[in-house]
Amino acid sequence: NAGVTQTPKFRVLKTGQSMTLLCAQDMNHEYMYWYRQDPGMGLRLIHYSVGEGTTAKGEVPDGYNVSRLKKQNFLLGLESAAPSQTSVYFCASSLTDEQFFGPGTRLTVL
Amino acid sequence: AQSVTQLDSQVPVFEEAPVELRCNYSSSVSVYLFWYVQYPNQGLQLLLKYLSGSTLVKGINGFEAEFNKSQTSFHLRKPSVHISDTAEYFCAVLGAGNNRKLIWGLGTSLAVNP
Repeated sequence: NAGVTQTPKFRVLKTGQSMTLLCAQDMNHEYMYWYRQDPGMGLRLIHYSVGEGTTAKGEVPDGYNVSRLKKQNFLLGLESAAPSQTSVYFCASSLTDEQFFGPGTRLTVL
Repeated sequence: AQSVTQLDSQVPVFEEAPVELRCNYSSSVSVYLFWYVQYPNQGLQLLLKYLSGSTLVKGINGFEAEFNKSQTSFHLRKPSVHISDTAEYFCAVLGAGNNRKLIWGLGTSLAVNP
């Protein structure tokens, strides 16, 4: 099993550009999450999903959109990137209590 | 509302010394508690978790934690640390409701020096 994978690993964007981060899991987990990690701020939840076709806002959803069209995939979109969105993004999935994390995507917005 | 406070943002320690990373929580529902570790430039992985039963929980890499309900604490300990334990450690509590969200502490950076 690959577990949780994230694509891409690194990306540099210019302000105003758009992009999509892909998260895939092969553990048949119902729950999936997108976090951002910034120095001194821990992990902050952006959006999450409790099952295929469902999404919900976390604590910092502004400027991001998500989709969960297939159970195994959870996409995070930035429609118009801003420098404040420079961060490391982590995807996680869960079946019951433990969350399994991907390796992260390091995004820089210039 | 639920919350997690990690009392130390940075903990420097010498190799082979014992270490304790402190975590306090606030929760009005049944408490499920977790410690995760993040090695440099990697994702997070579970160290250990408390769901029920024995209050002393053993995890990977020689770590253990004790759930103390009266003090609302879940401190992480290791009797003898290695250089390879240098990492960021996060405490978390499972949130109420059926969305399985984790409420995270801000993390403790453990630096093990030779």
